[in-house]
Amino acid sequence: DAGVIQSPRHEVTEMGQEVTLRCKPISGHDYLFWYRQTMMRGLELLIYFNNNVPIDDSGMPEDRFSAKMPNASFSTLKIQPSEPRDSAVYFCASSPRVVTGNTIYFGEGSWLTVV
Amino acid sequence: GEDVEQSLFLSVREGDSSVINCTYTDSSSTYLYWYKQEPGAGLQLLTYIFSNMDMKQDQRLTVLLNKKDKHLSLRIADTQTGDSAIYFCAESLSGNTGKLIFGQGTTLQVKP
Repeated sequence: DAGVIQSPRHEVTEMGQEVTLRCKPISGHDYLFWYRQTMMRGLELLIYFNNNVPIDDSGMPEDRFSAKMPNASFSTLKIQPSEPRDSAVYFCASSPRVVTGNTIYFGEGSWLTVV
Repeated sequence: GEDVEQSLFLSVREGDSSVINCTYTDSSSTYLYWYKQEPGAGLQLLTYIFSNMDMKQDQRLTVLLNKKDKHLSLRIADTQTGDSAIYFCAESLSGNTGKLIFGQGTTLQVKP
């Protein structure tokens, strides 16, 4: 299996620009998660989906952030407009189903720098 | 609220054992996990333990769980330089599908 695939791996953008991060979960996984990692705040869960439906978006920092999952094999995380404090590593992860003990598989991350 | 705490840094010599500690606050945690993150990479699951277990061993890894004290540890025997990474403790909450609460990570430095 290819694992969770994220793109782009690295992005440098100017403040105010729109940023779109993409994720392809592992085939057959029902759950998809977006995490953000920074030095200051560690790993934060932004949002997660079950069967393409957003379940918990309480971690989304503000209205500039939005996430969609139009089908079982694709999700996007969009930041518009971007700000320097959004610079972080954004991880997508998926899980086959959350019967306890099933693990979450992480992608390699999208490294975002907003200048 | 839910919280997971870890020490930030541990340095050991190659061949020694490493013990990384973690405390959590939510007594309803069902599974507890250890993830490893190497530089520039995502998180990789190392092992996990069900909350009704005290210990789990997997090759060089030993996980100890003290549910009364809400304390979890990861012991790495015969630590190698390739074990240098950030180690994250995480808890999965009962009744809350999918959400893992992560600690801030412990950076393990292995000196030759």
